[in-house]
Amino acid sequence: TQLLEQSPQFLSIQEGENLTVYCNSSSVFSSLQWYRQEPGEGPVLLVTVVTGGEVKKLKRLTFQFGDARKDSSLHITAAQPGDTGLYLCAHGIHGSSNTGKLIFGQGTTLQVKP
Amino acid sequence: KAGVTQTPRYLIKTRGQQVTLSCSPISGHRSVSWYQQTPGQGLQFLFEYFSETQRNKGNFPGRFSGRQFSNSRSEMNVSTLELGDSALYLCASSSFRGTEAFFGQGTRLTVV
Repeated sequence: TQLLEQSPQFLSIQEGENLTVYCNSSSVFSSLQWYRQEPGEGPVLLVTVVTGGEVKKLKRLTFQFGDARKDSSLHITAAQPGDTGLYLCAHGIHGSSNTGKLIFGQGTTLQVKP
Repeated sequence: KAGVTQTPRYLIKTRGQQVTLSCSPISGHRSVSWYQQTPGQGLQFLFEYFSETQRNKGNFPGRFSGRQFSNSRSEMNVSTLELGDSALYLCASSSFRGTEAFFGQGTRLTVV
């Protein structure tokens, strides 16, 4: 099993602050995904990173895939209360018969206080 | 188009009973996966069905089973419920070539 370790597990910050969440593994991945889950809801895909060194931006969120494709980070600039939620990184095997199986990290619970 | 629908949303069962959860995927999606989410273990893969066949299975005991119907709807069954089975059960659907999993809102199961 290819494990994903996320850090930190919990983060409580004030509105306007910046933060970074990390997703690490000893394994090389063909791709990594980031999801956000709000209370009472299922996870929603934010981004998929595929190429080593890739950087993707989604408004105030910046996602980076490590050069060696073993780690990824999510940086949020000027966090807002609406960013509150559980952030999950996940690895899935795509382009094969295993497309439906995702392995998730433990998640980072983010609380942004107004 | 309609999203992934899971029923029921909440369920309370007694230890030793069995339970069946239902998942209707997005129209056209043939892959349905099930996950268990608990505070201690996080999100863990249970199994995946594709075209009525189990294609992948996680590391859960045989008390957890599932099936998929010809219309891609899926059911998950847990027999002889234990207190530790209390969790949020999520199902996700994806298209054959898709790289994105679309999750339902989940079924919150409480075993007392």
